[in-house]
Amino acid sequence: QVQLVQSGAEVKKPGASVKVSCKASSYTFANHYIHWVRQAPGQGLEWMGWISAYNGNTNYAQKLQGRVTMTRDTSTSTVYMELSSLRSEDTAVYYCARGSVTMGAYWGQGALVTVSS
Amino acid sequence: EVVLTQSPGTLSLSPGEMATLSCRASQSLSSIYVAWYQHKPGQAPKFLIYGASTRATGIPDRFSANGSGTDFTLTISRLEPDDFAMYYCQHYGDSPLYAFGQGTRLEIK
Repeated sequence: QVQLVQSGAEVKKPGASVKVSCKASSYTFANHYIHWVRQAPGQGLEWMGWISAYNGNTNYAQKLQGRVTMTRDTSTSTVYMELSSLRSEDTAVYYCARGSVTMGAYWGQGALVTVSS
Repeated sequence: EVVLTQSPGTLSLSPGEMATLSCRASQSLSSIYVAWYQHKPGQAPKFLIYGASTRATGIPDRFSANGSGTDFTLTISRLEPDDFAMYYCQHYGDSPLYAFGQGTRLEIK
């Protein structure tokens, strides 16, 4: 069955960077986009961007342009989301999801990123 | 820029009742790009509906949705205890590329 397994929780200081991984299995990795969605405490879902697993093309939410970078490693079927210049407002659960015009049915389990001094 | 406004913010109902959740857009949307998700604390969101009205695989027919233009609705008939959660509508478009509504909390009365 399709699985997306994310890396674990992270605690970072303001100004630092965090890199969250999302390892895909049981499907043809290159055939799908991977989205990143986050949810801050008490807030709703926020789309961050997507990466094409086929060619690495990306599209980022305007709000995060310049701070977010999504990459992929086709040899390990893993997608990475790196967020830099972290602020307290970036404290959130970060999800990867396999999708296209929707986030689709397959999501990672989520990774909590806490930004605190 | 498209803004999705969900109402009500919180809906308090009892098991067995019917829930009607609204998602209103600031401009007309293409229905094929409207989706709904259920989200529970500590879990990943669950994909419910795509194309404004088509249930995702494995979603029971107690969940139905429709809409066009600026008004979209998710209906859950015969509420079960497992249905109480947050619900989000989502649209794929131009600006922004992907938008979520702010969510409706469906809570047990």
